[in-house]
Amino acid sequence: AQTVTQSQPEMSVQEAETVTLSCTYDTSESDYYLFWYKQPPSRQMILVIRQEAYKQQNATENRFSVNFQKAAKSFSLKISDSQLGDAAMYFCAYRTTNTNAGKSTFGDGTTLTVKP
Amino acid sequence: SQTIHQWPATLVQPVGSPLSLECTVEGTSNPNLYWYRQAAGRGLQLLFYSVGIGQISSEVPQNLSASRPQDRQFILSSKKLLLSDSGFYLCAWSVLYGRAVETQYFGPGTRLLVL
Repeated sequence: AQTVTQSQPEMSVQEAETVTLSCTYDTSESDYYLFWYKQPPSRQMILVIRQEAYKQQNATENRFSVNFQKAAKSFSLKISDSQLGDAAMYFCAYRTTNTNAGKSTFGDGTTLTVKP
Repeated sequence: SQTIHQWPATLVQPVGSPLSLECTVEGTSNPNLYWYRQAAGRGLQLLFYSVGIGQISSEVPQNLSASRPQDRQFILSSKKLLLSDSGFYLCAWSVLYGRAVETQYFGPGTRLLVL
């Protein structure tokens, strides 16, 4: 079974600075998806960014980018120019492509605090 | 555009009472549907998923059950709630594009407190 590990329970960043959240995963599969979700205090899960394992290019969405290291099974999220609205819990998730069920495995999350 | 609804938003129930949480999706057909539970400050645990009407797969043995009476409706139930059923319940949907299911999108969630 796949596992997802987020080793940083809490992180903080100064407004306008850059922060990187870590995620590692364990799998024997070669094709899969990886995701970062944001969960603000409202607890609504919001998709931040997605990476397909067969793509070597790192995904980017505005101020959010990932560093995908497939051999190392690492998938970190970089937030540039941090804003107060970025404060939330961030979850890394793994999705197999082996079935059409699309089940995901989530890490335990990293709580990000943004300091003004 | 697609939207996903969950209700109720908050629920306080006594131990031993029944439970019914509902999730509906609009704007898409034949979605995969999922029920997750989130304990405070933790990640998401997949409880059930469904790839079609009447097709339910359970991931974790427990006091809960799920049903999918219509294509875009997913219901989480219990006959008798336990204290350990308290938590935040999230419904999600995804669709199959090409070779594999893609992104899951989540509903607003239901906070359940069992007393």
